[in-house]
Amino acid sequence: QSVLTQPPSVSGAPGQRVTIPCTGTGSNIGTSYDVHWYQHLPGTAPKLLIFGSDVRPSGVPDRFSGSKSGTSASLTITGLRPEDEAFYYCQSHDNSLSYLVFGGGTKLTVL
Amino acid sequence: QVQMQQWGAGRLRPSETLSLTCSLYGGSFTENWWTWIRQSPEKGLEWIGEIKQSRSANYNPSVKSRVTISLDTSKRQFSLKLTSVIAADAAVYYCARAHKYTQGYYMDVWGTGTTVTVSS
Repeated sequence: QSVLTQPPSVSGAPGQRVTIPCTGTGSNIGTSYDVHWYQHLPGTAPKLLIFGSDVRPSGVPDRFSGSKSGTSASLTITGLRPEDEAFYYCQSHDNSLSYLVFGGGTKLTVL
Repeated sequence: QVQMQQWGAGRLRPSETLSLTCSLYGGSFTENWWTWIRQSPEKGLEWIGEIKQSRSANYNPSVKSRVTISLDTSKRQFSLKLTSVIAADAAVYYCARAHKYTQGYYMDVWGTGTTVTVSS
């Protein structure tokens, strides 16, 4: 039972656009705290995709973008590629808990 | 390129102590926060705690009474010790470099993870 809520899975065909939502509350995403996104293939190190809600680290393609509004955030991937198939996690900070919290993860399948 | 390598015992019996170490290759060791995070099917990703040179460690209240995170600056390593492990501590444990700022906290470099099982 993760603090932030994500759909367990999403899918899309190569070249399509998919959006992964991340829902929180007024104690976390609904505050001034940013949301961050990670891409993870089991057995490997998670990779930072988006930080500061909408900033891409160097080397992350501009096909990946993030946004935040109210108590929700989203990760959008355009021009889907087979190598995008992975798990995606959102993360923020929770004021009530006083530490960082994660979403339950979304498995992206590229059809 | 900054990389993190982690190691430690992966098979434990209940009541034993989990001990993991993470080593940093490249980058600054003294200017960053260093964290441990674990992932299990039951709880998902869970922040365990953090440490930074010249700062005290901070821990998740759920494990605070059993956990110690320490730094060895000379070796560019930091470690996790979790005492009296139980089945619920079974997870993949990750070390990571963290960036803290006024509006957030994120991890930009992660270890590849250590699978820890707890079984009698």
